[in-house]
Amino acid sequence: AAGVIQSPRHLIKEKRETATLKCYPIPRHDTVYWYQQGPGQDPQFLISFYEKMQSDKGSIPDRFSAQQFSDYHSELNMSSLELGDSALYFCASSSGLAEQFFGPGTRLTVL
Amino acid sequence: KNEVEQSPQNLTAQEGEFITINCSYSVGISALHWLQQHPGGGIVSLFMLSSGKKKHGRLIATINIQEKHSSLHITASHPRDSAVYICAVLLIATDKLIFGTGTRLQVFP
Repeated sequence: AAGVIQSPRHLIKEKRETATLKCYPIPRHDTVYWYQQGPGQDPQFLISFYEKMQSDKGSIPDRFSAQQFSDYHSELNMSSLELGDSALYFCASSSGLAEQFFGPGTRLTVL
Repeated sequence: KNEVEQSPQNLTAQEGEFITINCSYSVGISALHWLQQHPGGGIVSLFMLSSGKKKHGRLIATINIQEKHSSLHITASHPRDSAVYICAVLLIATDKLIFGTGTRLQVFP
């Protein structure tokens, strides 16, 4: 069965650069969620989209923005990267409020 | 005090042992997830519960909404069960999952 796809799987950036993370949900899933997991920390909810509209927002910095496109894939744009942004970024998808299925994550390292 | 607390934080077991991981939460929820995270970081959803009990293979999850408590049981544990198990609750009327700090399980042959 198709799973959530994230790309890239690994990304290395310098401070003050920008990064774009992509998430492709499971087919027919209309809701996408983004989470950030810092080293040794619990995942933290960043933002979610339902039917291409932002549905909820968590602890997402103002330097980050995200959107969901007409094909339901989502992109997380991160600007003015800081060392503290180094983390594992997970995307999850669901059909409405049903069970969330997680992607493999993108490991971002900011040097 | 964390909104979602798990116990124990670390657990070691011999292959074949019965394992229980507990989760307590202090907020109103619409559902509770049990997740498994392997050393590479990938997260797998094991269960989503809003009441009662679910079973999948050697895994059983229960939830008591009145007591705000859930348990994950692993029967006949195996070294490949070694992972971090995370309880996460879906805040009522939101999309926010709040994660527990996880239980690191190591099963030795």
